[in-house]
Amino acid sequence: QQQVKQSPQSLIVQKGGISIINCAYENTAFDYFPWYQQFPGKGPALLIAIRPDVSEKKEGRFTISFNKSAKQFSLHIMDSQPGDSATYFCAAIYDSSASKIIFGSGTRLSIRP
Amino acid sequence: DTEVTQTPKHLVMGMTNKKSLKCEQHMGHRAMYWYKQKAKKPPELMFVYSYEKLSINESVPSRFSPECPNSSLLNLHLHALQPEDSALYLCASSQDPRQGATEAFFGQGTRLTVV
Repeated sequence: QQQVKQSPQSLIVQKGGISIINCAYENTAFDYFPWYQQFPGKGPALLIAIRPDVSEKKEGRFTISFNKSAKQFSLHIMDSQPGDSATYFCAAIYDSSASKIIFGSGTRLSIRP
Repeated sequence: DTEVTQTPKHLVMGMTNKKSLKCEQHMGHRAMYWYKQKAKKPPELMFVYSYEKLSINESVPSRFSPECPNSSLLNLHLHALQPEDSALYLCASSQDPRQGATEAFFGQGTRLTVV
């Protein structure tokens, strides 16, 4: 119940294309869903985040779509660029005594020039 | 300023050594975390401090000892580590936990190699 399932494991997209990464969860106690971008040898960097009462959030080329009834959410990267090549983690957080982050397994994204 | 600073960036230690990892944030965050990340895997939670008190210990071996001296600092003391403990150790912080779940900001990590 604490898992966040992420797919695909790896993704190759042509420059200018749309990259789509999907995540699903079971625990309805999760109430915050961030996405992180990580480059090799670096820490994860917060990309965009959404709460379950919102169906979509857009920041620049990055959009989160959220389907509360299906318990699924996805990241869309529009006009994908080679600099977007990185590993992306979806995550889910529920509040207890502190915010415990549950990460998806990660997607390695490669953008071909 | 959304920066979490970790030192050192790289650390090589023998199995009998004692060393410490340090983490600092000045965002006024009241929750701080230690994560361990192996290659091609997601970060794995080790410890959570909330208001300088240890609130979560994910059954981490006692050779890892966390410490939170004040609201801005977090240490991880290492002793008698094993080669399989080699990994990227990440510190993170997030806002007041009493105000509900929010995202965490991560440092750049310490690349630890145990020889």
